[in-house]
Amino acid sequence: SQTIHQWPATLVQPVGSPLSLECTVEGTSNPNLYWYRQAAGRGLQLLFYSVGIGQISSEVPQNLSASRPQDRQFILSSKKLLLSDSGFYLCAWSVGVLAGGPVYYEQYFGPGTRLTVT
Amino acid sequence: KNQVEQSPQSLIILEGKNCTLQCNYTVSPFSNLRWYKQDTGRGPVSLTIMTFSENTKSNGRYTATLDADTKQSSLHITASQLSDSASYICVVRTRNYGQNFVFGPGTRLSVLP
Repeated sequence: SQTIHQWPATLVQPVGSPLSLECTVEGTSNPNLYWYRQAAGRGLQLLFYSVGIGQISSEVPQNLSASRPQDRQFILSSKKLLLSDSGFYLCAWSVGVLAGGPVYYEQYFGPGTRLTVT
Repeated sequence: KNQVEQSPQSLIILEGKNCTLQCNYTVSPFSNLRWYKQDTGRGPVSLTIMTFSENTKSNGRYTATLDADTKQSSLHITASQLSDSASYICVVRTRNYGQNFVFGPGTRLSVLP
């Protein structure tokens, strides 16, 4: 079975400090990977997605960056955190599912990282 | 512009009561629609997924409907339980390559004893 891991679970960082959040997926190969951010009481905002190693697409210009050094590893980084970077960061992966009809893509989410920038 | 709207923004009901959450979308081309449940501080968990040809799909006490003509979906929760307290997110997938999941803002449901 497939599982997705994120760490750390919670993080408190001062403004201007660097950031590195890691996401790994087990039990599948060549998944599409996603980073989302969810501000308190708000919907999910897509930050980055990747369809393969080294292939990163950014949806929102900001001081964050993402990398995919291995097939099942997705990293979210920042050189200098801002107060506005606080939020709940979710990693997700998707795969095509064939269930007797057209292929549809199921998306699975990790447990999330709660980031507080002080 | 691809958008997903949900209503109400928040809802409070008593345990044992039924409720219905709404989702309207302008996503095109449409591939499928799914409802997620997100407990506070956790990642979303899929409840149902519906393709263009499906009108109704149930998962226990959760029943989702889809009207592809009017681009509306609803999630009906029967005999609510305290554990149903969560945010419910409607997500529509397009057939476009790459970023193809459009998220609604969610409905925050609180079930009180």
